[in-house]
Amino acid sequence: GAGVSQSPSNKVTEKGKDVELRCDPISGHTALYWYRQSLGQGLEFLIYFQGNSAPDKSGLPSDRFSAERTGGSVSTLTIQRTQQEDSAVYLCASSLDSLAKNIQYFGAGTRLSVL
Amino acid sequence: SQQGEEDPQALSIQEGENATMNCSYKTSINNLQWYRQNSGRGLVHLILIRSNEREKHSGRLRVTLDTSKKSSSLLITASRAADTASYFCATDGPNTGNQFYFGTGTSLTVIP
Repeated sequence: GAGVSQSPSNKVTEKGKDVELRCDPISGHTALYWYRQSLGQGLEFLIYFQGNSAPDKSGLPSDRFSAERTGGSVSTLTIQRTQQEDSAVYLCASSLDSLAKNIQYFGAGTRLSVL
Repeated sequence: SQQGEEDPQALSIQEGENATMNCSYKTSINNLQWYRQNSGRGLVHLILIRSNEREKHSGRLRVTLDTSKKSSSLLITASRAADTASYFCATDGPNTGNQFYFGTGTSLTVIP
C-alpha cells in the first residue's frame, strides 16, 4: 500500500477481554515498530521487528502483551486480559532499515478504550 | 532514560509569526529527528539532523543541534494555521539499541 495501515482505527472492549491490533507496513520496509501513546503523552516503545531477526521485546509492559510479524510483513499486537490502563493509542511505524536509523513512517493508530 | 523533553509544552501564536520549540535529551545521540502529529493522526517525519551537523533547513523549517548542551531547536517561520499540531523530537544513539526515544511533545496552535 501507499502507507502504513492499521486496523481497527478504534476498538472498545471490556476489561478482561483479549484484543488484536493489526499493522500492515509499507511494502519493502524491513523494520517495524509498535508504540503506545497515552493521552497527551509522548510515544512509549513497545516492540521492534527487523527482517527475520528475533524481535526486540524490551518495551513490552507486561506478559499480557505480545506481537508477531508473519512473513516479514503484517504484524499483530495482542493484548490479553485487557485492563483499563491499557487504554491508549497504539501506533505502528515501519522503516526501510532500522540499522541505518532511517525515518519512520507511521500509521494513523488504533485507539483502544477498555471499559 | 534517554527520553527527550520538549519545551514549551504548549505554544500559541498568531499566523505569520515564528514558532520555536526546544528539545533536550540526556545521553549521546547518533541522530535527532523531528516529527509532527496532527490531532488523531500518526506522526509525520519532518527533518533529521545527525550528531555531526549543527543546522539543517527544509522549507520553512530550521533545526539546530547543540550536542554540548544536548539540545535541539525547531523553528517554523511564517507560521500558518495548518501548522497547528504537536511536535515531537526523537533520538537514537550508540547505546539505545533498536529504540528511538520520543519526547512528550510541544502542542502548537497557530491562530488565523
